[in-house]
Amino acid sequence: NAGVTQTPKFQVLKTGQSMTLQCAQDMNHNSMYWYRQDPGMGLRLIYYSASEGTTDKGEVPNGYNVSRLNKREFSLRLESAAPSQTSVYFCASSELRSESNTGELFFGEGSRLTVL
Amino acid sequence: GENVEQHPSTLSVQEGDSAVIKCTYSDSASNYFPWYKQELGKGPQLIIDIRSNVGEKKDQRIAVTLNKTAKHFSLHITETQPEDSAVYFCAARDSNYQLIWGAGTKLIIKP
Repeated sequence: NAGVTQTPKFQVLKTGQSMTLQCAQDMNHNSMYWYRQDPGMGLRLIYYSASEGTTDKGEVPNGYNVSRLNKREFSLRLESAAPSQTSVYFCASSELRSESNTGELFFGEGSRLTVL
Repeated sequence: GENVEQHPSTLSVQEGDSAVIKCTYSDSASNYFPWYKQELGKGPQLIIDIRSNVGEKKDQRIAVTLNKTAKHFSLHITETQPEDSAVYFCAARDSNYQLIWGAGTKLIIKP
C-alpha cells in the first residue's frame, strides 16, 4: 500500500521554465492538497481539491495551476518558474472534510524544487 | 484570518527528560488542533489531535492540552527517546476547514 506518491522527488529548473509535479493516492480519499514548505514558515496551502471535479485556491496560489485528473491524481503545474518558487512541495490527501470528520492528512514524501 | 504561532523553533532535551512545545492561535472559532511529526526526508504524519470541547488528550508518552480561554495548546512528550527527534508542527483548523500551520519545532534528543 503506497499511500501518497509524488514525482519527481528532485528537480532543478531555470527561471521561466515550466514543469508539472505529479501526485497519486491509493486510499480512495476524496480530498487532495498541494502545500509548500519553506524554512521557518511551516506548511502553506497552494491549492486543494475537496472532491473530484473541484479545485480551490489556498493561501499562496499565485504562479501555480492544478488539475484534478481523477479521484486518484492531482497535479501541480508551474507555468513560468521563478526563484521564489524554490521550495519543498508536499501533496496530501484526506477523507472529505466535515464537522464530524477530523480530515487527517496523509502526506507524500515531498518534491524538492530548485529554481535557478 | 487564523494565525498560529509556535515556540520554540528548536528544543534540545536530554534523553529521558520531557519536552513541551507551545502554540497560540488567533481565531476563537477554531475547533480542531492536530500535531504532526515530520522525520527527515518524509512528509508530516499525524501523532495526536484535540477538539475544542476537550481540555486534554493522552496517547502513551504524548499528550496535548488546550486552553480555549487563552487560545493556546501544547504538546507534551514524556520519557523522550532518540526516535522522538524530528520536526513537530501544530495546526489549527479555520472556518473553511483548512489547517493553518505553525512554523515548526525541531526537537533534538541528546543521548
